[in-house]
Amino acid sequence: AQSVSQHNHHVILSEAASLELGCNYSYGGTVNLFWYVQYPGQHLQLLLKYFSGDPLVKGIKGFEAEFIKSKFSFNLRKPSVQWSDTAEYFCAVGLEEAGSYQLTFGKGTKLSVIP
Amino acid sequence: DSGVTQTPKHLITATGQRVTLRCSPRSGDLSVYWYQQSLDQGLQFLIQYYNGEERAKGNILERFSAQQFPDLHSELNLSSLELGDSALYFCASSVETPYTDTQYFGPGTRLTVL
Repeated sequence: AQSVSQHNHHVILSEAASLELGCNYSYGGTVNLFWYVQYPGQHLQLLLKYFSGDPLVKGIKGFEAEFIKSKFSFNLRKPSVQWSDTAEYFCAVGLEEAGSYQLTFGKGTKLSVIP
Repeated sequence: DSGVTQTPKHLITATGQRVTLRCSPRSGDLSVYWYQQSLDQGLQFLIQYYNGEERAKGNILERFSAQQFPDLHSELNLSSLELGDSALYFCASSVETPYTDTQYFGPGTRLTVL
């Protein structure tokens, strides 16, 4: 079965520090890749997605992610974090199996940004 | 605002009871997905409906069921509730179920079972 691993459970950074959150998945075929963010008390919002083409994708709020097929990875990056980036970040992998399309989520990484 | 609405926002009930959660997808979206988010299990896919028909099942308990109505809104029914069913239940919608679709999430219903 498909699995998604997010390496860090909780990351604490100071404002202006650079961010990289890891995400690895286990499926060897063609997948769609997503990063969602969940601000405290809110629902999940789509940050960015990769379907095909340029493996470096840019999302909202200055986030980007790079798909490295050989490493089964889709790491999220931001050059300079802000206090307002404090949230939980979820990597998700979508694939079609047996005629249905499902998203499998990682356990999430909590990001705390200290002013 | 994703355009997906869920009611109620909060629900407090007792063990053994039955509740119904409601979801209205974005205008034009045919697919509805239900997810459960809990501290220990994370975000887990429960079930998907597409244009009124069940399309896929994930980790959904037999005590839980769902349906999608002709107007495309969906309801998730949880019965014989247990303490462990306390969680945040999200609904998501997408246009259809092609390989490259994107799901948009609602604000969730927080269920507390006492």
